[in-house]
Amino acid sequence: KNEVEQSPQNLTAQEGEFITINCSYSVGISALHWLQQHPGGGIVSLFMLSSGKKKHGRLIATINIQEKHSSLHITASHPRDSAVYICASVIGHSNYQLIWGAGTKLIIKP
Amino acid sequence: ETGVTQTPRHLVMGMTNKKSLKCEQHLGHNAMYWYKQSAKKPLELMFVYNFKEQTENNSVPSRFSPECPNSSHLFLHLHTLQPEDSALYLCASSQGRGYTFGSGTRLTVV
Repeated sequence: KNEVEQSPQNLTAQEGEFITINCSYSVGISALHWLQQHPGGGIVSLFMLSSGKKKHGRLIATINIQEKHSSLHITASHPRDSAVYICASVIGHSNYQLIWGAGTKLIIKP
Repeated sequence: ETGVTQTPRHLVMGMTNKKSLKCEQHLGHNAMYWYKQSAKKPLELMFVYNFKEQTENNSVPSRFSPECPNSSHLFLHLHTLQPEDSALYLCASSQGRGYTFGSGTRLTVV
């Protein structure tokens, strides 16, 4: 069964802290997405990665294919980073489908 | 603005009403999706269209009726909904493994 597990489910931290959100998946994938959903509802794709590491501003995403594990890091966290962060694995090689994690609700306090 | 536009952003409808949700993308993506997100649940895939052809219907009740007149537009026609259908409805498009999401329509059935 294809499963994506995220941890923690909820995370509250103080402004400036280094944040790590973890994602594990159970079967081989062709890529993994990290997405951000703000309270308004819209989902923004942060990263799509299939190996190694990607960085965008204060956000860093890593993936270890052998261990079937990915992490999203936020450096110098800020209250505007408060959102739900979702990982989703991409399966298939011609008809790509997403398997969704349940999301991590992050609250950054000033 | 992500490139996928959904209207309306909010919708309140009675159980006997008929309404439609609209999704539009001009990213040149060949696949479009409808997702449902209920409170505190992962996203649920409802329908998939590939090059205007429906390729997936995840056991969605017939009171939800999708329409894809061309590869840029996707509709979700709603009729005789139930209060439990109240949720955030998200449209997405994809090309290969890359996905883009709309801001969603927050639907309340009264």
